[in-house]
Amino acid sequence: GQQVMQIPQYQHVQEGEDFTTYCNSSTTLSNIQWYKQRPGGHPVFLIQLVKSGEVKKQKRLTFQFGEAKKNSSLHITATQTTDVGTYFCAGLGDSNYQLIWGAGTKLIIKP
Amino acid sequence: DAMVIQNPRYQVTQFGKPVTLSCSQTLNHNVMYWYQQKSSQAPKLLFHYYDKDFNNEADTPDNFQSRRPNTSFCFLDIRSPGLGDAAMYLCATSREALDGDTQYFGPGTRLTVL
Repeated sequence: GQQVMQIPQYQHVQEGEDFTTYCNSSTTLSNIQWYKQRPGGHPVFLIQLVKSGEVKKQKRLTFQFGEAKKNSSLHITATQTTDVGTYFCAGLGDSNYQLIWGAGTKLIIKP
Repeated sequence: DAMVIQNPRYQVTQFGKPVTLSCSQTLNHNVMYWYQQKSSQAPKLLFHYYDKDFNNEADTPDNFQSRRPNTSFCFLDIRSPGLGDAAMYLCATSREALDGDTQYFGPGTRLTVL
């Protein structure tokens, strides 16, 4: 079945360093959504990418959707303690209307 | 301003004792979803309602049932909870179908099975 692989599973960074998480799909996606889940919290929608090669920015966060619409990335510049949490991608397949979730990348800020 | 409300936030039940989790929304969204999330894992979709139409995921155990008596409310019934059903249960809504629409999540109910 369709899968969305997300790496890395964990990333430890010093505050102020950059962070990137990557998602790769086995098939073409109609769109991809990104969610953030704080420790003990629930997923909160961040952004949706629809177009091939699309790049969107939200302050220090940059989201990209690959040209082939099979991969996506989230990059955070100069991480802050408020960025701590797990970032999930969730892709909508072309062939059906099921949202396929990546396993998430947990961002940990080293003290 | 709460938009998706889940009650209770924490639920403890005994092995085999039926339990019901509730979700309500003030967004008037057509679609309501139930997810199961275990520690360090992604949310796993159990089923969703598009209006009154129920859509069950193929791998959702029969032990899990759902009811949506009206637009605002949706319930998750676990008929005979097992130890493996201990998890966070997340309710979410979206305005329209899964087709590219943002999902709004409730705070979740953490279920403990003794």
